[in-house]
Amino acid sequence: SQQGEEDPQALSIQEGENATMNCSYKTSINNLQWYRQNSGRGLVHLILIRSNEREKHSGRLRVTLDTSKKSSSLLITASRAADTASYFCATVVYGNKLVFGAGTILRVKS
Amino acid sequence: GAVVSQHPSRVICKSGTSVKIECRSLDFQATTMFWYRQFPKQSLMLMATSNEGSKATYEQGVEKDKFLINHASLTLSTLTVTSAHPEDSSFYICSARDLKDASTGELFFGEGSRLTVL
Repeated sequence: SQQGEEDPQALSIQEGENATMNCSYKTSINNLQWYRQNSGRGLVHLILIRSNEREKHSGRLRVTLDTSKKSSSLLITASRAADTASYFCATVVYGNKLVFGAGTILRVKS
Repeated sequence: GAVVSQHPSRVICKSGTSVKIECRSLDFQATTMFWYRQFPKQSLMLMATSNEGSKATYEQGVEKDKFLINHASLTLSTLTVTSAHPEDSSFYICSARDLKDASTGELFFGEGSRLTVL
């Protein structure tokens, strides 16, 4: 079962622009993770933010977490055509299982 | 970095046959591996949790006799789709958690296996 919703479902931007994706979840969490999936490939872990953290940076990625609203956002700055992919948030639920959100399909046009 | 190898990457089979997909952690040990299924343009749906040396735990709605999971060692889990039918056509992805880093929840994913049942 999916943990929550992500929006937008699809996002199309020009190279150089910033891309923001949002994720909401339902249960209490220890951490929230973001993954990237290129078309027809496996997933790659991008960043993990713990429940006691509010913001985290990794290169061009910035993740925020609002546990009171049960939501997170992923910002990709200065996007590149190579950032075109699907992005998923995921949380660990009972049984130490990782459950994914619906995902956002990002297309960066060059 | 941690690498998970999944094989085969693509398989086409006739309806009624069985297909086995392997998932190996190449440079780490994993007592737990997870099998996901993904339909086009959709998210990953957890099918089952594969536990080394014990029975797999299946998610609600997943037929355990249909999707046989074996986790015989700390580096290998297999998913067998038995008596495959066209509706079983999908992208199957395995993932594993490093035994030494189980607390974070971060998973390492295989490249996926695209099954097409004719």
